[in-house]
Amino acid sequence: AQSVTQPDIHITVSEGASLELRCNYSYGATPYLFWYVQSPGQGLQLLLKYFSGDTLVQGIKGFEAEFKRSQSSFNLRKPSVHWSDAAEYFCAVGAKNQGGKLIFGQGTELSVKP
Amino acid sequence: DVKVTQSSRYLVKRTGEKVFLECVQDMDHENMFWYRQDPGLGLRLIYFSYDVKMKEKGDIPEGYSVSREKKERFSLILESASTNQTSMYLCASSPPLAGESIQYFGAGTRLSVL
Repeated sequence: AQSVTQPDIHITVSEGASLELRCNYSYGATPYLFWYVQSPGQGLQLLLKYFSGDTLVQGIKGFEAEFKRSQSSFNLRKPSVHWSDAAEYFCAVGAKNQGGKLIFGQGTELSVKP
Repeated sequence: DVKVTQSSRYLVKRTGEKVFLECVQDMDHENMFWYRQDPGLGLRLIYFSYDVKMKEKGDIPEGYSVSREKKERFSLILESASTNQTSMYLCASSPPLAGESIQYFGAGTRLSVL
């Protein structure tokens, strides 16, 4: 079955520390992979995407993610977290010719300590 | 910028009422989606639409219906609202089938059914 797993429900990091949010997927086709962020009371905003090519992708707000096919993972990283990064983060997977349908993970809530 | 507008940010309804959630996008996207978001469950797809008057069930369609009479508008209908439909509802749109799977989200409607 197709699925996306974000193992960490809630993570707390100190401001200025590095961050890694984990995402594992199970998908039959060659995946398109996404990370979205949701600030409190808001909709989802796209952080970055992977369709093909270089497996290290850069996104907005200083985020990056690395696609590792052998591990079925697409972990999100940021070298130095800012207080404004506190939000919920969602990993999602789709594929070509799937009509734009995405499967979302359960989300990881990030808290940032001053 | 793509804009997806959901008509209400907050709604309070009574059990048994018929509820309409409206969503409008301004990018001429063919695909539109309705999700519900619950803590720990991520986003779950209720219905989606590839074109005007076309609709397909998602993962949790029970208790919901949809309407797409115009390309830019996609409505979610709760025929007889129940307390277990209290949730955050998110609308999204995306470019056509053969294109990228990026979805653009509205700000969400938080529905409480009493």
